[in-house]
Amino acid sequence: GNSVTQMEGPVTLSEEAFLTINCTYTATGYPSLFWYVQYPGEGLQLLLKATKADDKGSNKGFEATYRKETTSFHLEKGSVQVSDSAVYFCALVPDTGRRALTFGSGTRLQVQP
Amino acid sequence: GAGVSQSPSNKVTEKGKDVELRCDPISGHTALYWYRQSLGQGLEFLIYFQGNSAPDKSGLPSDRFSAERTGGSVSTLTIQRTQQEDSAVYLCASSLAGQVSGNTIYFGEGSWLTVV
Repeated sequence: GNSVTQMEGPVTLSEEAFLTINCTYTATGYPSLFWYVQYPGEGLQLLLKATKADDKGSNKGFEATYRKETTSFHLEKGSVQVSDSAVYFCALVPDTGRRALTFGSGTRLQVQP
Repeated sequence: GAGVSQSPSNKVTEKGKDVELRCDPISGHTALYWYRQSLGQGLEFLIYFQGNSAPDKSGLPSDRFSAERTGGSVSTLTIQRTQQEDSAVYLCASSLAGQVSGNTIYFGEGSWLTVV
């Protein structure tokens, strides 16, 4: 079946540090890949997505590149801010069968001033 | 509003009672999803509606859970004879067309259910 594996948190960084949250997936074919973010007390929001191999999704300074050869979609940001503190979820939607999101377990990011 | 709307936002119920959670998807979205977010359990798929097709109920954890979608729009998730392990945030989401894997799936704020 389809699955998503994320690095366990919490990840604690100082402001302006470089961020990487690793995400790998298992799925047949060519799934679409997503990063969702959940800020404290808020709902899930789409952060970025990529729908085919080698695509790069980007938003709010965050980037992730769809790597088919390594089945990965790692999230990166060059300089984090305190306001980036949240839980980040990697997810996929397969290109066949049920078109529902399969989520990773989430990674909590804490950015300290 | 323009987003996915869910009600109630919070519900406290006694064990054994039935509860209904409502979801109003984004207008024009044909795909509707229910997920459950529990402490330590992550995000769990429950059920998926796509247009007039039969719903995919493969994620429902027991026969106490059911959902319907009337007129291709509003959906209700019903939990009968609630148990304490049903306590969670129930999230509804919708997207333009479920057949396209790249379509963005938008989430509501969730309904926080506490069974006491």
